[in-house]
Amino acid sequence: EDKVVQSPLSLVVHEGDTVTLNCSYEVTNFRSLLWYKQEKKAPTFLFMLTSSGIEKKSGRLSSILDKKELFSILNITATQTGDSAVYLCAVANNAGNMLTFGGGTRLMVKP
Amino acid sequence: NAGVTQTPKFRVLKTGQSMTLLCAQDMNHEYMYWYRQDPGMGLRLIHYSVGEGTTAKGEVPDGYNVSRLKKQNFLLGLESAAPSQTSVYFCASSFLGTENTGELFFGEGSRLTVL
Repeated sequence: EDKVVQSPLSLVVHEGDTVTLNCSYEVTNFRSLLWYKQEKKAPTFLFMLTSSGIEKKSGRLSSILDKKELFSILNITATQTGDSAVYLCAVANNAGNMLTFGGGTRLMVKP
Repeated sequence: NAGVTQTPKFRVLKTGQSMTLLCAQDMNHEYMYWYRQDPGMGLRLIHYSVGEGTTAKGEVPDGYNVSRLKKQNFLLGLESAAPSQTSVYFCASSFLGTENTGELFFGEGSRLTVL
């Protein structure tokens, strides 16, 4: 059974801080790892990672995958209050059309 | 630009009642999914569909049924609601399978409470 574990469960920081969110996984026939941001309602897509060591970057957010150690990190630099959200990590395998999600990390950025 | 629309957004049921959640997407996506989200559990897949007229079980299918009679619609039914089905339900769609694009487009969620 595929498994995704995120840490920490929650995090409180102040504006301007840098945060690192962690995602470890166990999956048969790994295909890709995805990060989503969920504010009050629907999750929105951030990144998809398929190869080790290649950083994906979008503004102040970046993510990298380590397929040997089976984890990914999501970094947010110079955090803003608008970054407050639950960040979800998910993995896809080659077997079908399902994503397995982790429990999420709740980030709160204080002014 | 509607994207993925779910109705209703909120519903309160009594144990044993039945109901249907409707998901509609206007992006011509082949794949559609129903997830439930519970505190600390992330999103868990209930059922999914890879095209009109097809459905398949996900991780937690028991107590739910689905139908995909039209490509743009995916219905989730609860025949006899139980308190354990209290949750937030998300519908999602994607053009190709998640193994190809990785990106799911989500609806805004439907909060269901079963008393």
